[in-house]
Amino acid sequence: NAGVTQTPKFQVLKTGQSMTLQCAQDMNHEYMSWYRQDPGMGLRLIHYSVGAGITDQGEVPNGYNVSRSTTEDFPLRLLSAAPSQTSVYFCASRPRTAAVANEKLFFGSGTQLSVL
Amino acid sequence: QQQVKQSPQSLIVQKGGISIINCAYENTAFDYFPWYQQFPGKGPALLIAIRPDVSEKKEGRFTISFNKSAKQFSLHIMDSQPGDSATYFCAASERYSSASKIIFGSGTRLSIRP
Repeated sequence: NAGVTQTPKFQVLKTGQSMTLQCAQDMNHEYMSWYRQDPGMGLRLIHYSVGAGITDQGEVPNGYNVSRSTTEDFPLRLLSAAPSQTSVYFCASRPRTAAVANEKLFFGSGTQLSVL
Repeated sequence: QQQVKQSPQSLIVQKGGISIINCAYENTAFDYFPWYQQFPGKGPALLIAIRPDVSEKKEGRFTISFNKSAKQFSLHIMDSQPGDSATYFCAASERYSSASKIIFGSGTRLSIRP
């Protein structure tokens, strides 16, 4: 059972470059989300999705795009990387049912991104 | 505006002591309060959670205390062990909101001294 898989684990970009952080889950979870983790700032929600074809903004969405074409995948795109986007990025998912709409989040192991 | 405020930012406790981490929230619609534990190089993992219909929840050495009127909740780790050294995040969300977002605190780095 792989759970939530993030790739790559590490990435270095130059300012202005674009890239996509990949996230896949094999638990048939409807809800998926992206967080960034910065020292002293905790985990801040970037974007989230409650199902295929549905996405919405979180606390810090600027500079990031997402799409959700399948239940399994939720990629995060940086169109023009900036040094302020240097961070550790986590993808997380959870089931979404009427009875337990807000239970445990399953996190991936993270992507450490440096923008020079 | 930080919706969930967590303190302290870092905490050092002697082995066998009690570790206490505090959180406060503003949104009265929040009705689910989990705590996540994160070890270096790993993603956070759910440790324990509470709903506001109870004032305390205990699982082993970990206890959540919840004060609805003060909009505060705290994590207590009894008999703290070196293996408890990790970063702890409190969080809050609206349990049955169809577009629910889980909002995290800023984290507490806990170190347990042998």
